Amino acid sequence: GQQLNQSPQSMFIQEGEDVSMNCTSSSIFNTWLWYKQDPGEGPVLLIALYKAGELTSNGRLTAQFGITRKDSFLNISASIPSDVGIYFCAGLRPGAGSYQLTFGKGTKLSVIP
Amino acid sequence: GAVVSQHPSWVICKSGTSVKIECRSLDFQATTMFWYRQFPKQSLMLMATSNEGSKATYEQGVEKDKFLINHASLTLSTLTVTSAHPEDSSFYICSARGSGSPRAYNEQFFGPGTRLTVL
Repeated sequence: GQQLNQSPQSMFIQEGEDVSMNCTSSSIFNTWLWYKQDPGEGPVLLIALYKAGELTSNGRLTAQFGITRKDSFLNISASIPSDVGIYFCAGLRPGAGSYQLTFGKGTKLSVIP
Repeated sequence: GAVVSQHPSWVICKSGTSVKIECRSLDFQATTMFWYRQFPKQSLMLMATSNEGSKATYEQGVEKDKFLINHASLTLSTLTVTSAHPEDSSFYICSARGSGSPRAYNEQFFGPGTRLTVL
């Protein structure tokens, strides 16, 4: 099946630092979605990307749809303790005939106050 | 907008009993809903796609007779775990495909999840 390689798997950062994570694939996607999941909760959609090269911000979060359509990154600036959680990327393939998201394995973010 | 709820939030049941989990789209109509299972420290595993008014499409390896899905209305899908066993203990999450615009239609909105523990 389709694979999304998400990295890093986990990271520990100091409060106030910037964070970057990314997802790559050998296949082309026409939509990239970034989610955050808190413990015991469902994922919450943070940013949706629809065009190659698109750069979209949501507060301190910025995500980009790679030019090759095979990758995307998410940046968090000036991290705060509530940024702690697991971040998932998800991609939607074009023309697959059926709608199905492929998820990365997640990046666990820990913020040290 | 695009709020999805799940009920119950957590359930503990005895082995052999059946458990029903409800997934509702609160402020939009969802022709397509999805059921996922998530084990600790792992990503989401798609179990089935639920289409309003038709049979669900199950992923390979998911027993359709064990995980019964009903999507009887545009705002409600249910997952029933029949004859639950301890190995069915997991975090079950539903999601709904967005509506209202072509872009929203490509997005999925998740419920808060249901923690199932089978004793």
